[in-house]
Amino acid sequence: DTGVSQDPRHKITKRGQNVTFRCDPISEHNRLYWYRQTLGQGPEFLTYFQNEAQLEKSRLLSDRFSAERPKGSFSTLEIQRTEQGDSAMYLCASGGQGNQPQHFGDGTRLSIL
Amino acid sequence: AQSVTQPDIHITVSEGASLELRCNYSYGATPYLFWYVQSPGQGLQLLLKYFSGDTLVQGIKGFEAEFKRSQSSFNLRKPSVHWSDAAEYFCAVYPGGNEKLTFGTGTRLTIIP
Repeated sequence: DTGVSQDPRHKITKRGQNVTFRCDPISEHNRLYWYRQTLGQGPEFLTYFQNEAQLEKSRLLSDRFSAERPKGSFSTLEIQRTEQGDSAMYLCASGGQGNQPQHFGDGTRLSIL
Repeated sequence: AQSVTQPDIHITVSEGASLELRCNYSYGATPYLFWYVQSPGQGLQLLLKYFSGDTLVQGIKGFEAEFKRSQSSFNLRKPSVHWSDAAEYFCAVYPGGNEKLTFGTGTRLTIIP
């Protein structure tokens, strides 16, 4: 169990650019989640996958955001045409079936200039 | 929809003193309950969880939490805090099934010598 890994840890980009983040879950976990966390807030759910199927997307996930998990293993989260309001910590978590706790990565901190 | 309230935004305690962090949830039935801790720039680490059974649950790092159905509360406690406990603490609820994990806004814990 090597834990949930996220890359990069930090991303600084100019407004309007596209960014992509990667998450490698714990290998035996079939559920993968993305969250966004802004300063002083708890994580807010964005989307989740069971294996390769994206089962739910939050209304927070505008059409500029897209997430994939092509082979049911790692996942990517892409933000197109970034805006100032996208600055946040993006957290990935993975979990097993049902009520099993989610295990979080260290996140990717996105800063928009 | 479920919700979580952590009424204390910031708590300061002296090293060696006892600690109680409050968490109240709103949900029609008894959900699964979690406490996570987050150090600056890091992801979330699971401290403990309540699924059913004994209402007093033990976690890592000497933490415990008590589920009180009548008060819809799941308060986190530690008899004697250490300087390394300084962090942000999040309570979270999960109703089950395909529902999402919902976090409170967190309580920042500061430890003074």
